[in-house]
Amino acid sequence: AQSVAQPEDQVNVAEGNPLTVKCTYSVSGNPYLFWYVQYPNRGLQFLLKYITGDNLVKGSYGFEAEFNKSQTSFHLKKPSALVSDSALYFCAVRDLTGAGSYQLTFGKGTKLSVIP
Amino acid sequence: GAGVSQSPSNKVTEKGKDVELRCDPISGHTALYWYRQSLGQGLEFLIYFQGNSAPDKSGLPSDRFSAERTGGSVSTLTIQRTQQEDSAVYLCASSSFIGTSNNEQFFGPGTRLTVL
Repeated sequence: AQSVAQPEDQVNVAEGNPLTVKCTYSVSGNPYLFWYVQYPNRGLQFLLKYITGDNLVKGSYGFEAEFNKSQTSFHLKKPSALVSDSALYFCAVRDLTGAGSYQLTFGKGTKLSVIP
Repeated sequence: GAGVSQSPSNKVTEKGKDVELRCDPISGHTALYWYRQSLGQGLEFLIYFQGNSAPDKSGLPSDRFSAERTGGSVSTLTIQRTQQEDSAVYLCASSSFIGTSNNEQFFGPGTRLTVL
């Protein structure tokens, strides 16, 4: 079974400050990890993914995420937050081994509010 | 290129009525997914179609839910005898299929279903 935990329902950060949105995962095999962002009344937009290779993955809108195998984490980061980054962020995982590997399991989401 | 489209964007229905939700995936994407997003619950996987293979219906919550995909393109999710607990946003996603792994999923804007 695979699972994702986003321990914070909400993260508040001042504009211009660095931001981190936390995600931890659990899979039996090798993880395929994603971050998506959802703006109000919109569908989910892909931000970035990790399969293999460099642990630091760069994505859209200046976001990056760091894969840490020993801590089973994939935290989303941005050096300088913008008010326009305010949205709902979802972490998701797929197990690349075994049946049902096409299924994405999502966390419950973290609401990011960037304060001007 | 057009993204994933869904219709209607909003649907209000009375308890006990049937509803049909439509998804038009990105052209050329062979994989199609339906998810349900309830308030504070994250995304719940419902069903997955891949090419001409039998769909994976393991996420459908009851036999009132069904889905089909005609001609490997457009998909319809049907909910019979709707209940108030069916109220949610229903999201459709599609992805290309490369080798034994699917690529990232691209989401439509969703259909917000309200059952009175």
